Amino acid sequence: GAGVSQSPSNKVTEKGKDVELRCDPISGHTALYWYRQRLGQGLEFLIYFQGNSAPDKSGLPSDRFSAERTGESVSTLTIQRTQQEDSAVYLCASSRTGTSGNTIYFGEGSWLTVV
Amino acid sequence: AQSVSQHNHHVILSEAASLELGCNYSYGGTVNLFWYVQYPGQHLQLLLKYFSGDPLVKGIKGFEAEFIKSKFSFNLRKPSVQWSDTAEYFCAIQSGGSYIPTFGRGTSLIVHP
Repeated sequence: GAGVSQSPSNKVTEKGKDVELRCDPISGHTALYWYRQRLGQGLEFLIYFQGNSAPDKSGLPSDRFSAERTGESVSTLTIQRTQQEDSAVYLCASSRTGTSGNTIYFGEGSWLTVV
Repeated sequence: AQSVSQHNHHVILSEAASLELGCNYSYGGTVNLFWYVQYPGQHLQLLLKYFSGDPLVKGIKGFEAEFIKSKFSFNLRKPSVQWSDTAEYFCAIQSGGSYIPTFGRGTSLIVHP
């Protein structure tokens, strides 16, 4: 596609429910990133994919968070048993190769509110 | 570990004023440096980047940034801001061996017409 596409753009969920956030990277981009941005804070790295494998999951805040990528394309970030502190914008980004120095392109984000 | 510090969290200027946003990083080796901008209601997009060569980098919309290695800084500048520059600005660092950019907290810029 023309850009990184994320869905849903907004999600309100009750505490304790599971949520899935989807990311469609730019076609042909092998590297995919998930970041989280809490209100008033910077971007917090969550996970990085190269192809379908995730060589760096170091940013996932707890075992309630998981992500997968299939077909070197779509990625899903799943948050189980959501908590209020999970409320944030979840940003997906992709780059052509993941090589150091490559520009990464961001989607518009999925705004998650846990009530 | 690499880290990025943006000292100004909120900046308010009038049109035609000059802009300088600070960015300092912590990493001892080779780095790639970026400035991203997020206009209201839009996604983050690249403003400019430094990989090597001339430390003065020019980006879109009249922005430039200077890499000063001795100061571990990559400040963003624009000689004359416009109302349309109102946005959130993020500095990011990617160390030589890493695939993952680390971002600063961001600076919110408001330009009054």
